[in-house]
Amino acid sequence: DQQVKQNSPSLSVQEGRISILNCDYTNSMFDYFLWYKKYPAEGPTFLISISSIKDKNEDGRFTVFLNKSAKHLSLHIVPSQPGDSAVYFCAAQNSGGSNYKLTFGKGTLLTVNP
Amino acid sequence: DVKVTQSSRYLVKRTGEKVFLECVQDMDHENMFWYRQDPGLGLRLIYFSYDVKMKEKGDIPEGYSVSREKKERFSLILESASTNQTSMYLCASSKDYTEAFFGQGTRLTVV
Repeated sequence: DQQVKQNSPSLSVQEGRISILNCDYTNSMFDYFLWYKKYPAEGPTFLISISSIKDKNEDGRFTVFLNKSAKHLSLHIVPSQPGDSAVYFCAAQNSGGSNYKLTFGKGTLLTVNP
Repeated sequence: DVKVTQSSRYLVKRTGEKVFLECVQDMDHENMFWYRQDPGLGLRLIYFSYDVKMKEKGDIPEGYSVSREKKERFSLILESASTNQTSMYLCASSKDYTEAFFGQGTRLTVV
């Protein structure tokens, strides 16, 4: 049972345009959400997070939006750059739980074309 | 600077071998994790540990075991390696409910 879903395996955008990556979750106990970026042959690196008490969090070119009623979050990258080309993973956590594990989606491969 | 170090970047092992993957973190984090990444399947949790000598099964623990004798070190053990355990293995650590930091990964091939 997949609790975190990234339904788009890949996304291609032009340099300078907006990239929007989507993520849905089914577990209503999740209250902390994170995005990670992964290049081939490297470990994932943390990008940005959002707590369920917020609906938006911004960090430079990256903004994450959370819609709790729809159990949906999205990552916006503006403007997109070729160096943003990577696999992006959405992850979720239940901060009221007894453990600290992150549940990940399957990832979306973003390609930014020059 | 935060650091999670995995002992090997690439490993090739034979079917039936016992394989040890080592992970060390220098951030004094309580929580440590082992994930594997496979194409189309994302990151799947194998085992995690929230304290020394404590361990809990993740989503796919079969064929694996772990050891955490010291806070900074978390080892993943493949008791008898099989070809379906060929994968990218990723170790991570975190403190309470914050972001997890990942190592560079170990690409394991079982032949």
